[in-house]
Amino acid sequence: QKEVEQNSGPLSVPEGAIASLNCTYSDRGSQSFFWYRQYSGKSPELIMSIYSNGDKEDGRFTAQLNKASQYVSLLIRDSQPSDSATYLCAPGSQGNLIFGKGTKLSVKP
Amino acid sequence: DAGITQSPRHKVTETGTPVTLRCHQTENHRYMYWYRQDPGHGLRLIHYSYGVKDTDKGEVSDGYSVSRSKTEDFLLTLESATSSQTSVYFCAISPGLAGGPGGELFFGEGSRLTVL
Repeated sequence: QKEVEQNSGPLSVPEGAIASLNCTYSDRGSQSFFWYRQYSGKSPELIMSIYSNGDKEDGRFTAQLNKASQYVSLLIRDSQPSDSATYLCAPGSQGNLIFGKGTKLSVKP
Repeated sequence: DAGITQSPRHKVTETGTPVTLRCHQTENHRYMYWYRQDPGHGLRLIHYSYGVKDTDKGEVSDGYSVSRSKTEDFLLTLESATSSQTSVYFCAISPGLAGGPGGELFFGEGSRLTVL
């Protein structure tokens, strides 16, 4: 059984702070890793993908991957109230993405 | 935004009736997927397609069938709906096989199905 673990939250951070979202996965064969953002009642939206160990930065978002530890994280710098959403971690391999249940982030003005 | 349209967006039906959900894409992507999302379970793969008339089962395929007669359309059918199939259904597309290079999924708006 391939599993993806995320802290369900809610994770509450003040506006302007760094939000740190974490994810661990069980499938060592995972080759690609994705972070999706899902607003309440909406569909998941891809915000980051990462394929190799290390950091990948895109604007205010940084994804970090450590395959040896089976760990992937997402940092959101200068958090804004509009970042308030559920963030889904999704490692992928062999034709499928296994989605975590998500971490709910709340950014307080 | 990726050109993905799901229909219907909302449907209420009764146990035992057949239901078909439609996913239409304008991106000409090869791969199409149907997921369901339920509280406490996250997104789970029902079926996927890797080309016209080429489909395969996902994690939770029991009670569902799919068809893809054209690149742009992927249909999900519940032959005899049950209350356990009450869920939000998402269609997704990708240019490459999910999990591999170019395998990012892009989701439609979702279809909320209630089976009474």
